[in-house]
Amino acid sequence: DVVMTQSPLSLPVTLGQPASISCRSSQSLEHSPANTYLSWFQQRPGHSPRRLIYEVSKRDSGVPDRFSGSGSGTDFTLKISRVEAEDVGVYYCMQGTHWPPLTFGGGTKVEIK
Amino acid sequence: QVQLVESGGDVVQPGESLRLSCAASESTFRNYGMHWVRQAPGKGLEWVAFIRDDGSFKYVADSVKGRFTISRDNSKNMLYLQMNSLRTEDTAIYYCVRWTVGNVFDIWGHGTVVTVST
Repeated sequence: DVVMTQSPLSLPVTLGQPASISCRSSQSLEHSPANTYLSWFQQRPGHSPRRLIYEVSKRDSGVPDRFSGSGSGTDFTLKISRVEAEDVGVYYCMQGTHWPPLTFGGGTKVEIK
Repeated sequence: QVQLVESGGDVVQPGESLRLSCAASESTFRNYGMHWVRQAPGKGLEWVAFIRDDGSFKYVADSVKGRFTISRDNSKNMLYLQMNSLRTEDTAIYYCVRWTVGNVFDIWGHGTVVTVST
């Protein structure tokens, strides 16, 4: 099974400042030269997860452009250029390249300082 | 946009059974693979099971293999999870999730709570 490792576990951020979350996989997530199935989800307190980013860097419609995804192979990053209060929650990465099973990172809790 | 609404969660004792349901709001349901994903209290996300759009392929996680069965009825726009021999570690919110192009989830239900306790 592919192990997904996120860091940090907790990320206190000042409003308006950037934030960066790392996600590393135990195997390359490149399915083909054109497809790497790494996605990011946001889970606000008391809500279901919501997809933000898929295939490493494709942002969902309605997701603010302050969110961006990057990376390749086994190393991936989710960045928030300027954190807003509504960004508080837990962020998960997930791989869809080598499954079953689908596997998630352990989550990164973003909170406001 | 399609909505997914889970139901069937309850408080049960270890060893008992439960059947979860997920109702999709549109008939496009038949065109998509579907998953169940769970989240134990205060914990992260864990994939549970998958069923192909036509029901021809199914996968379940090792942690529930032999105890949980995923199924669907496309004529009713319904997804199911039959859970037998429940254990305390199965306590979680169970989400019904749609699978789409790009090997990724796109739509999540609101979840249904299963509690297994003596």
